[in-house]
Amino acid sequence: NAGVMQNPRHLVRRRGQEARLRCSPMKGHSHVYWYRQLPEEGLKFMVYLQKENIIDESGMPKERFSAEFPKEGPSILRIQQVVRGDSAAYFCASSQADSNYGYTFGSGTRLTVV
Amino acid sequence: GENVEQHPSTLSVQEGDSAVIKCTYSDSASNYFPWYKQELGKGPQLIIDIRSNVGEKKDQRIAVTLNKTAKHFSLHITETQPEDSAVYFCAASIDDMRFGAGTRLTVKP
Repeated sequence: NAGVMQNPRHLVRRRGQEARLRCSPMKGHSHVYWYRQLPEEGLKFMVYLQKENIIDESGMPKERFSAEFPKEGPSILRIQQVVRGDSAAYFCASSQADSNYGYTFGSGTRLTVV
Repeated sequence: GENVEQHPSTLSVQEGDSAVIKCTYSDSASNYFPWYKQELGKGPQLIIDIRSNVGEKKDQRIAVTLNKTAKHFSLHITETQPEDSAVYFCAASIDDMRFGAGTRLTVKP
């Protein structure tokens, strides 16, 4: 049973380009969460999704960022017109039901904006 | 929303000593408190968790205590080893999980 799969592991984008980060949850997990981690900092909640629904996006910047978790396929975190401040590690986690069953994290996508 | 504070931010101990990391949370409705270990370049991994109906839980060298009245919980690592060196995060959960800022633990051989 593969864990949470994130790709790519490393992504380099020039300022103004779009970044698409993908996350495939563990088999049987229907809840997906995205977190951002700046160097030497903690995990900042961004968004919580279930299939075809955004449950909580209170941590997501209002502009340029969007997330989806379609009926088929991985969850996608999209960052449009990236800026240097978007450089960070983005982690996806999945859980079986709600978060009280614990999260399994992926290995993250390290985004570098040049 | 939930706010989780974690102390200390860095902790250095000698191999064999104990390490204690403390967290407080703000929302009394939180009912699930996991701890994660993150090694360099990797995603966080769950090491132990506790639910609000339990005051203490132990797994070999790791234990977690919860005081719901005071809204704080702690991670205790005994007989520390160099491979325990990592960043540790506490979290509190109602509908989704909010994390503390992390503690960088260094175990000196």
